[in-house]
Formats: sequence, structure tokens, C-alpha cells
Amino acid sequence: DAGVTQSPTHLIKTRGQQVTLRCSPISGHKSVSWYQQVLGQGPQFIFQYYEKEERGRGNFPDRFSARQFPNYSSELNVNALLLGDSALYLCASSLGAPSTDTQYFGPGTRLTVL
Amino acid sequence: RKEVEQDPGPFNVPEGATVAFNCTYSNSASQSFFWYRQDCRKEPKLLMSVYSSGNEDGRFTAQLNRASQYISLLIRDSKLSDSATYLCVVNRAAGNKLTFGGGTRVLVKP
Repeated sequence: DAGVTQSPTHLIKTRGQQVTLRCSPISGHKSVSWYQQVLGQGPQFIFQYYEKEERGRGNFPDRFSARQFPNYSSELNVNALLLGDSALYLCASSLGAPSTDTQYFGPGTRLTVL
Repeated sequence: RKEVEQDPGPFNVPEGATVAFNCTYSNSASQSFFWYRQDCRKEPKLLMSVYSSGNEDGRFTAQLNRASQYISLLIRDSKLSDSATYLCVVNRAAGNKLTFGGGTRVLVKP
């Protein structure tokens, strides 16, 4: 079975632009979470969606938004990009609510903002 | 103070030796605990969950001390392939998110 997939794998943008990152969870998984990992640090929680509803939000500005589709795939949008948004963006899926189920991570999208 | 804190290392470990390191967490409401392994420029992968009674998986042993709010990981008979960053992860059911430490880097050398 395929694991969590993310696209694109790499992305280069300039300040002020907008970006959309995509995630497909493991088949049968209903929960998707997004994390940002800046070089040299641990991942930081951005959003969690379960059954297409937002169930958690981290301490990120409103420039960050996300949604989950009926097939449980998800998109993360970031507007008005800043240099500090350069990071590895990780998507994780779990069968049910993440508080009880193991989260499995995708390979990430590496975003570089110039 | 960070919610989950780890010694960043690196821990330089001779092949075959034992290495142990801790992670402290600040929120006493934390309910689930995990160790993830992350190789350079790769995604984190679950190494093991951590249970109150302590648990072992092959050469890896994890312990949880709720009173002192720390988690430990011990690696016995270290292999070159154990070289990685080990992420301590805490989950608060109420917050419904994973909180990661900054990671402890382990380098196993011949």
C-alpha cells in the first residue's frame, strides 16, 4: 500500500507569492495534520483535520490556511510568503483522531522562499 | 520554556556501545508519548510508543517518568545505522496535536 504522498517535493517561491501544498493520506485514513520543520528544529504543528473539519490549529498566522476534501486529501495554503516560511512542510495521516492513533508522515515538501 | 526539551547533542557513540538520552516535557496533561527517528532530509518515522510501565523493542528501551515529567530512550549495541536524529513527541488529547522536541542527534562511529 502507498504511504502518505505529498506534492510537490521541492518548490522555490519569492517573497509575497502564494503557495499550495498537497497531501494524500494513507488509504482509509481520515485524519491529516500539517507540520512545519525549519532546519535544525523539530516539526511544529500547523493544522489538523479530521473528517473534513478543522480539529486543531497551531500558533501560525492567518496567512496559513488548509482544507480537507471528501476523499480525505488535503491542501495547505500559505499567502504572502516570507523568507522565514522556508522549511520542510510535513503532512501526517492517521486512521482516526490523532490523539489516539499513530501518525504516519509523508516525505514532505521542501519550500524555499527567496 | 519550550513544551518539550531535548539535548541537541550530538552524542558520538562508538559502534557497539550503549547510549541513553532524555527528554523533558512541561505539560502535566500530556497523555501519549513517542520517540520518532528522523534521518537527514527525510520525514520522521515512528520508532516506538512510550508506556508508563516502560517498553522494549529489540535494542531500544523507552521509559516514562510522569512524576518528574521526562522520557528516556536507551540504545544498546549501537549500529552505524542508528545514526539519526531522535525526536521526542508528546500528545495532549485535549489539544489534539503532536508536540515535538528539537531532536537529539546521535552519531555512531566505527
